[in-house]
Amino acid sequence: GQNIDQPTEMTATEGAIVQINCTYQTSGFNGLFWYQQHAGEAPTFLSYNVLDGLEEKGRFSSFLSRSKGYSYLLLKELQMKDSASYLCAVYNTDKLIFGTGTRLQVFP
Amino acid sequence: DTAVSQTPKYLVTQMGNDKSIKCEQNLGHDTMYWYKQDSKKFLKIMFSYNNKELIINETVPNRFSPKSPDKAHLNLHINSLELGDSAVYFCASSNRLNYGYTFGSGTRLTVV
Repeated sequence: GQNIDQPTEMTATEGAIVQINCTYQTSGFNGLFWYQQHAGEAPTFLSYNVLDGLEEKGRFSSFLSRSKGYSYLLLKELQMKDSASYLCAVYNTDKLIFGTGTRLQVFP
Repeated sequence: DTAVSQTPKYLVTQMGNDKSIKCEQNLGHDTMYWYKQDSKKFLKIMFSYNNKELIINETVPNRFSPKSPDKAHLNLHINSLELGDSAVYFCASSNRLNYGYTFGSGTRLTVV
């Protein structure tokens, strides 16, 4: 079967750092994506990892360990606008399989 | 300017009706998808087309029929709508793997 697990909800304070974890067990693996989805809007692409290690993009970084089936998304210098759902997704052969998403609330 | 556009944005209809959702992309992508997002925000793939050919058909009731007249369009027709079909339906397209999918803004379907 395909399993992609993330915490359901997280809270953090403006200016802080938050790490959203994702573990996966899938029959195939061609890369891991992170998407951001604000309420009532479409998911938007944040990052892509296919090799082990850290990918940094401004305030956002994503890490992958293929041997552990593990990824995390790190958000630094949190802003109120970062309140959204964060979706971990594994590209398996020919499609993106999504986790259940983590709803992040940022408080002042 | 919109890369992936879906219409309508909202659809409210009665049980038993037939409805269609349209999707168009102007990105020149070869592959298009339909995803369903339920009330728990779980995104699940339904169909995928590559250059007008069906390549993925997940376990979806045959009341759902996708149609791709050309590689820029992928429409979704739903017959005999049921209450459980209420969800947000997202169209997406992709070309190069490492840039992921581009999603449309979604169609919120409510069956009453």
